[in-house]
Amino acid sequence: QVQLVQSGAEVKKPGASVRVSCKASGYTFTGYYMHWVRQAPGQGLEWMGWINPNTGGTSYAQKFQGRVTMTRDTSITTAYMELSSLRSDDTAVYYCAPSWGGWDWLDPWGPGTLVTVSS
Amino acid sequence: DIVLTQSPGTLSLSPGERATLFCRASQSVTGSYLAWYQQKPGQAPRLLIYSASSRATGIPDRFSGSGSGTDFTLTISRLEPEDFAVYYCQKYGSSPLTFGGGTMVEIK
Repeated sequence: QVQLVQSGAEVKKPGASVRVSCKASGYTFTGYYMHWVRQAPGQGLEWMGWINPNTGGTSYAQKFQGRVTMTRDTSITTAYMELSSLRSDDTAVYYCAPSWGGWDWLDPWGPGTLVTVSS
Repeated sequence: DIVLTQSPGTLSLSPGERATLFCRASQSVTGSYLAWYQQKPGQAPRLLIYSASSRATGIPDRFSGSGSGTDFTLTISRLEPEDFAVYYCQKYGSSPLTFGGGTMVEIK
């Protein structure tokens, strides 16, 4: 079955960068887009973008353009999301989730990684 | 960008009752590309419905979705104790993916 394992919680200072990983198994990693969605404490879901693991192509939400970089390592079936110039309002749980196409529903979701930005 | 507005914000119901949740889009959602997710505290969202009315694998048939254009509905026919959670709608099919603000279904 599909399994997504995300890296552990992070605490970062404002202005720093964070990289979150998402290791996928149980399906053909290069056959599905990988999305990243975040959720601030007590808030709703916010789509950040996707990466096509086959080509490395990406599409980012306008809000995160210039601050987010999504990459992948197909040899270890792992996707990465790096967010730079962190601010306190970047404190959130970051989820990875695959989809068949770039603009499809997301299923399943990884367990999430809490990133806390605090001085 | 298409904005999704969910209502009500909170629904207070008892087990066994019927729950009706609404998702309204600011523009027509092409192809009924609308999904619903359930999220319980401390857990990741789980896909319930895609293409407005198709149940995801393993989802009980008490969950049903309907609608098209700008108005969509998620119905839980008889609430089970494990159904008390937050529900989100999501529009897909084009950039960007967007989510509604969520409806919390709480025990009355």
